[in-house]
Amino acid sequence: GNSVTQMEGPVTLSEEAFLTINCTYTATGYPSLFWYVQYPGEGLQLLLKATKADDKGSNKGFEATYRKETTSFHLEKGSVQVSDSAVYFCALSVPQTGANNLFFGTGTRLTVIP
Amino acid sequence: DSGVTQTPKHLITATGQRVTLRCSPRSGDLSVYWYQQSLDQGLQFLIQYYNGEERAKGNILERFSAQQFPDLHSELNLSSLELGDSALYFCASSVVPSGELFFGEGSRLTVL
Repeated sequence: GNSVTQMEGPVTLSEEAFLTINCTYTATGYPSLFWYVQYPGEGLQLLLKATKADDKGSNKGFEATYRKETTSFHLEKGSVQVSDSAVYFCALSVPQTGANNLFFGTGTRLTVIP
Repeated sequence: DSGVTQTPKHLITATGQRVTLRCSPRSGDLSVYWYQQSLDQGLQFLIQYYNGEERAKGNILERFSAQQFPDLHSELNLSSLELGDSALYFCASSVVPSGELFFGEGSRLTVL
């Protein structure tokens, strides 16, 4: 089946620290991979995506590389800010299914302290 | 602002009751998705519609039903409510079935 396993949280970092949130997946077919972010009191927003192996998605200083050999899509940022405090969700979709709905990981709460 | 509108934002009701949650997708989006977010279950996919037709069904209970109307708005009906149905219900939309979704701010349902 299709599933995403995400690093357990919560994660607390000091401002300007390096961030890694691990994500691995299992999928039937050839998935597209996503990171979504949920700020307090808001809905989810797409942060970045990658649609094929070795693609790197990037946005707002965040990066993730689609690694087929390790079935991973780890999220990284070199220097976090207080404004990055949010819950981060790794997700996949399988376009070949036609429905293309998203399967989410459990989410990782990040708190950045000044 | 994602362009996806959900109403009501908050709803408190009693066990056994029935509620309807409404979603207006972004202008031009044909596909609508419903998700349930609870502390113990995380984000669970409920159901997806595309241009008025059901496209995929996830972990949606038989007590729940949904539809997408000709003007593309969608409603999620929850009946015989139980305490465990308390959750945030998100609607999302996309132009075509896609992993790139635009989420509303959610409807928080509290069942007492």
